[in-house]
Amino acid sequence: EPEVTQTPSHQVTQMGQEVILRCVPISNHLYFYWYRQILGQKVEFLVSFYNNEISEKSEIFDDQFSVERPDGSNFTLKIRSTKLEDSAMYFCAIPRRGPLIFGPGTRLTVL
Amino acid sequence: DAKTTQPTSMDCAEGRAANLPCNHSTISGNEYVYWYRQIHSQGPQYIIHGLKNNETNEMASLIITEDRKSSTLILPHATLRDTAVYYCIVRVASAIAGGTSYGKLTFGQGTILTVHP
Repeated sequence: EPEVTQTPSHQVTQMGQEVILRCVPISNHLYFYWYRQILGQKVEFLVSFYNNEISEKSEIFDDQFSVERPDGSNFTLKIRSTKLEDSAMYFCAIPRRGPLIFGPGTRLTVL
Repeated sequence: DAKTTQPTSMDCAEGRAANLPCNHSTISGNEYVYWYRQIHSQGPQYIIHGLKNNETNEMASLIITEDRKSSTLILPHATLRDTAVYYCIVRVASAIAGGTSYGKLTFGQGTILTVHP
């Protein structure tokens, strides 16, 4: 069983719409990370979240993005008003005694 | 975080050892060396990490030079399924009350390893 699952695996949306991407670790975690990867580019850090607070964020993580831990079992990344350039793979990751374990990703396509 | 330098691409014959080098000459004392790989657009997969001692697990071996300025990831018997982008990352770790705090992973461009029959 994978340590981290993400839903949906693929999301297609219209520009300007809101999307919510979900990350479900196999066990409760207080710490998680979100990364993204635009096609053909490198994996980029977005934000880290610890105990219901953002601990670090990158320049990419602007006001259009938000993260939440709505309950003890999953984490979400919300993009309020999607832009074409938000099209990318989005990965969440959780720490496992040091190393980060990444989920399989959500492919977001903004039309 | 210290920067790393890796070759853009490497080839390896199936069944042979793949030795992937990484230079991290500005590494600090509290930074670990991590290796990940990414196959197509899948999530990055953790391989191995170390501080100063050589490490081995079921996937690979990590050799870190004594001055810690470079390291080599060794896949002892490469298979076609090992074709991927391999990332060498240095990551800070610091002691905090109750445990250890780890910084984020910062990915570079990595090395494209192609294993051919």
